[in-house]
Amino acid sequence: NAGVTQTPKFQVLKTGQSMTLQCAQDMNHEYMSWYRQDPGMGLRLIHYSVGAGITDQGEVPNGYNVSRSTTEDFPLRLLSAAPSQTSVYFCASSAGGSGTQYFGPGTRLLVL
Amino acid sequence: AQKITQTQPGMFVQEKEAVTLDCTYDTSDPSYGLFWYKQPSSGEMIFLIYQGSYDQQNATEGRYSLNFQKARKSANLVISASQLGDSAMYFCAPRAGRRALTFGSGTRLQVQP
Repeated sequence: NAGVTQTPKFQVLKTGQSMTLQCAQDMNHEYMSWYRQDPGMGLRLIHYSVGAGITDQGEVPNGYNVSRSTTEDFPLRLLSAAPSQTSVYFCASSAGGSGTQYFGPGTRLLVL
Repeated sequence: AQKITQTQPGMFVQEKEAVTLDCTYDTSDPSYGLFWYKQPSSGEMIFLIYQGSYDQQNATEGRYSLNFQKARKSANLVISASQLGDSAMYFCAPRAGRRALTFGSGTRLQVQP
């Protein structure tokens, strides 16, 4: 049971490049979310999903796309990277009930 | 949108003493949950404790407990018998409705020997 996994762990992009951050969970959780954490701040919600085929925007969705074709995977796409997207990105998943969110280890992204 | 206030950017505590980290929140949803997470310097987010808005008693998990005052919309985290490994950022995060969290700005706790 690996929990929530994220790849890559670290990525450097040039302005304008696109990329996909991968997130997978093996706990059969319905709910998955993407957050970003800027230095010295709390996490802010980018997008979330309440099940396969269903996604919705969070607090800071601009510049990011998501899709949820399976229960296990929830990739985050950066369409055209900007320096303002330099951040640490966390993926999380939760089941029903109390909805405790379990986080992946994070992806550190640097946009030059 | 929910508003979360963690008024203590930084806290110091002596090893083996208790410490209280403050959190107030603003939500109009009558059914919500309140989570606390720990983020050590290594960066991972670690779930500590959960309190449901309808729970009759304050939540406890080992050395962690919540001082939950629903009328004041306050859910302070109490860490008893602090250890050096408790040094970290601590985030309060309410959840209302959808299965995603809103995080406060955090409190950096430093435990001194």
